[in-house]
Amino acid sequence: DVKVTQSSRYLVKRTGEKVFLECVQDMDHENMFWYRQDPGLGLRLIYFSYDVKMKEKGDIPEGYSVSREKKERFSLILESASTNQTSMYLCASSLVVVYSNQPQHFGDGTRLSIL
Amino acid sequence: RKEVEQDPGPFNVPEGATVAFNCTYSNSASQSFFWYRQDCRKEPKLLMSVYSSGNEDGRFTAQLNRASQYISLLIRDSKLSDSATYLCVVNNRAGNNRKLIWGLGTSLAVNP
Repeated sequence: DVKVTQSSRYLVKRTGEKVFLECVQDMDHENMFWYRQDPGLGLRLIYFSYDVKMKEKGDIPEGYSVSREKKERFSLILESASTNQTSMYLCASSLVVVYSNQPQHFGDGTRLSIL
Repeated sequence: RKEVEQDPGPFNVPEGATVAFNCTYSNSASQSFFWYRQDCRKEPKLLMSVYSSGNEDGRFTAQLNRASQYISLLIRDSKLSDSATYLCVVNNRAGNNRKLIWGLGTSLAVNP
C-alpha cells in the first residue's frame, strides 16, 4: 500500500510566522501535490511537483511556496502565515505511467490554525 | 458552469437501500475519472476508477457516459459504514496525471 505521511495532524501557529508542512511518500511516486480543503470550497490545488526540484503553481499559490529536494519529500511553506490560511492541508502523490492516468493517494492531512 | 458538478445532498437512505450519485463534467476531452470517499475530518481515499465500459467492485458500480458527460456511482445494499462524502474527480490530461479537477462532493447518510 502507498504510504503518504504528513508531519503533523494538528498545528497551531501565530500570524506572521513562517510555517513548514512536510510530506513524505514511500512509493517512489514522481508526482506530489499540496491541497487545502475548506468547507464549501472543496479541494483546491496549491502547488504540485512532477520531479525533484520541479514545481508548478496550482490554483491558489499566493502566500505559499514549496520545496522538493528529494523525490520522496515535498514541503509546503507559508512564508508569513495569515489567519485566512487556517485550513486542512492535504498532501498527495501519484505514479506517472505513460498514457495512463493514475489516482492520487493522500496523507492524513494537517489541520492548521493560524491565530 | 463548474468543471465538475455534483449534487451536494445530503442523501439520507435506510440501510439496505440502493442509492445513485451523478457527476457532470464540462470538458469533453476529459481523459479519466475517479470516485473518492471522504469520511468526516479524514483524507479522501480512492474508492474506484471509472472505466469507459463501466466497472463494478462488490456493491459499488461506476458508469461513464461520454455523450452526456457524466459519471455515476451506484451503491447497492447500503451499509451504515457507507456514510461519507463521495467526491467525483476528473483528469483532463493524459500522460503524467498532473492535475485533477475535484467536485465538491455528495454527502450520504445511511440510517439504521
